[in-house]
Amino acid sequence: DTEVTQTPKHLVMGMTNKKSLKCEQHMGHRAMYWYKQKAKKPPELMFVYSYEKLSINESVPSRFSPECPNSSLLNLHLHALQPEDSALYLCASSPVRDQGDEQYFGPGTRLTVT
Amino acid sequence: SQQGEEDPQALSIQEGENATMNCSYKTSINNLQWYRQNSGRGLVHLILIRSNEREKHSGRLRVTLDTSKKSSSLLITASRAADTASYFCATDARAGGTSYGKLTFGQGTILTVHP
Repeated sequence: DTEVTQTPKHLVMGMTNKKSLKCEQHMGHRAMYWYKQKAKKPPELMFVYSYEKLSINESVPSRFSPECPNSSLLNLHLHALQPEDSALYLCASSPVRDQGDEQYFGPGTRLTVT
Repeated sequence: SQQGEEDPQALSIQEGENATMNCSYKTSINNLQWYRQNSGRGLVHLILIRSNEREKHSGRLRVTLDTSKKSSSLLITASRAADTASYFCATDARAGGTSYGKLTFGQGTILTVHP
């Protein structure tokens, strides 16, 4: 299985809602990533988990809360978002560094905040 | 700030022609990677070149890296309509010894290949 899956594909939420994005991989990768991508822009790194521990937080607002419950799962909890948070949220995973550096991306969740 | 800058921003060619995209970056890197993205979906890894390599091939793809000029190029030969996509370079500046990468993406080149 060489796939990263993300659910849901699309999400519309109000500014007072609480929702979660889910990402899953079964490739045995021990690093997992969240990226945010606005239209016609490159992906921007948000968080990195390595061996289920948060290794990088790129100064992301606290209304985004990541969680890595086990080595296959990565969640992004959303609360009190703003309309400018509407974007494509991409999850990725990568092998342990000395086994490869490429990242495998999921199809993304397209988030609209109303 | 974005590490990688790409040019051209958009490229339109006919099937069978070659497509060349360039990427420049600012800081020292561990490796440089190229990704393709179709219609706002997930990214697909194409090729990785390490800082001590100068050229790499994969099928119809050829990547060069010039660390003295902090630049890379991606050449797609004999392009096909299916190559229509956005192409991003991404630099990984993390030192060896870390268990994960830290990619910074360029602005991307939108490639359109006309049948």
